[in-house]
Amino acid sequence: RKEVEQDPGPFNVPEGATVAFNCTYSNSASQSFFWYRQDCRKEPKLLMSVYSSGNEDGRFTAQLNRASQYISLLIRDSKLSDSATYLCVVSRSNDYKLSFGAGTTVTVRA
Amino acid sequence: DTAVSQTPKYLVTQMGNDKSIKCEQNLGHDTMYWYKQDSKKFLKIMFSYNNKELIINETVPNRFSPKSPDKAHLNLHINSLELGDSAVYFCASSQVQSSGELFFGEGSRLTVL
Repeated sequence: RKEVEQDPGPFNVPEGATVAFNCTYSNSASQSFFWYRQDCRKEPKLLMSVYSSGNEDGRFTAQLNRASQYISLLIRDSKLSDSATYLCVVSRSNDYKLSFGAGTTVTVRA
Repeated sequence: DTAVSQTPKYLVTQMGNDKSIKCEQNLGHDTMYWYKQDSKKFLKIMFSYNNKELIINETVPNRFSPKSPDKAHLNLHINSLELGDSAVYFCASSQVQSSGELFFGEGSRLTVL
């Protein structure tokens, strides 16, 4: 079983829509969680960290469910510029090694 | 100034050749990494250095040899290139080893013919 699994999508949504997707992780000892964004043929960039209590950054909301071992990302009022691949990243507590999911592709259409 | 810069951005070479990719960060970070992103888009850690010391060495063929002359530089040398080495190689840095906030370079796209 992969350490981090994501629905690859693609999620095709119209501008202004809300889109949400999850990521599951296998190691219950995982300590830290992040969402990265990767545009086509570009490098990944940190979008937001995911805190236990859930957190929001503008139109983006991240949630963590430790009992079910998943994190989620919700994008409200989608913009064309939100089109990207969103990578779920999980950090192990013992060696801080980051495990990346293969990404969920979101395409926002006009 | 680019925070994490790696060269070359594109590399096309024949099987069996040896090539190097260089990486430099000007962020003053302690930790640097090499990641490989294959055609299936998985980003896999290859190596991690903390203050010039190797701390993560994943199951990577020993044809791959990292070198960190100082904490701002982490280079990757690959011997006897194989077709399966074709991928995008990303250098990254983080302020400290335990940080999940990585700053990536733009990537080096290696194609082995």
